Amino acid sequence: GENVEQHPSTLSVQEGDSAVIKCTYSDSASNYFPWYKQELGKRPQLIIDIRSNVGEKKDQRIAVTLNKTAKHFSLHITETQPEDSAVYFCAATPPSGSARQLTFGSGTQLTVLP
Amino acid sequence: EAGVAQSPRYKIIEKRQSVAFWCNPISGHATLYWYQQILGQGPKLLIQFQNNGVVDDSQLPKDRFSAERLKGVDSTLKIQPAKLEDSAVYLCASSPSADYGYTFGSGTRLTVV
Repeated sequence: GENVEQHPSTLSVQEGDSAVIKCTYSDSASNYFPWYKQELGKRPQLIIDIRSNVGEKKDQRIAVTLNKTAKHFSLHITETQPEDSAVYFCAATPPSGSARQLTFGSGTQLTVLP
Repeated sequence: EAGVAQSPRYKIIEKRQSVAFWCNPISGHATLYWYQQILGQGPKLLIQFQNNGVVDDSQLPKDRFSAERLKGVDSTLKIQPAKLEDSAVYLCASSPSADYGYTFGSGTRLTVV
C-alpha cells in the first residue's frame, strides 16, 4: 500500500516569512495529493490539492508543487500570518476506481511567531 | 451545504466497556470513511463504505471494532470491549466520488481510562 512521509514534524517561522512542508510517497501510481489544515480541536480541512497531470498549483498565499519523478510534493505558504498556525497533513492516493483512499503523513505543527 | 455530522463530540469510558459513534455524511456522498487519529499522528483509515457496502476494512481490528452503514446513509462505529490504546479522535469523512477530496466531520474524542 501507499506510504507517505512528511517533514518537518514541527516548524516555527516569523510572521511574514515563508513556510515549506515536504512529503514523499511510495506508490508511483498515486495521482491525487491533497493538503489538510487542522486547528487545535477541530476537523481537518482541505486547503489545496494537486493532481498528477500538473506540476504546480497556487491559491493566493498557498501553493503546492509536485515532482512525480522523485515522488515528492511540497506545500508552500508565503507571507505567513498567525492564523496559519495549525497542524498540516499531506496525503496521497493511487487511482482505485471508487475505492480511492487517502494515506496521510504524520503532520507538521506550524507555528507562526508574531 | 451541510457538513458531515458526528456525535457525540466527547466520550470517556472505562476499559472493557463498549462505545458507539454515529456519523451522518453530506447528502449524496456515496463514499464514507472512518479514520482513527491518535494524538500527534495523521489519520489512519479504519473502514471505507461505498453506499452501504464495505469496500475496505483490512485495517479494522475486527475482534473489537465493528461498523455498519444503514441504507447507504448514516454509519455507526462500535468498539467492544475498549482498550486504553483506543483513546483517539474518531473521524468520519465522506466524498461524492473517487475524484474528490474528503470532507471530515468534527470527530469524536474518545478517552479510555
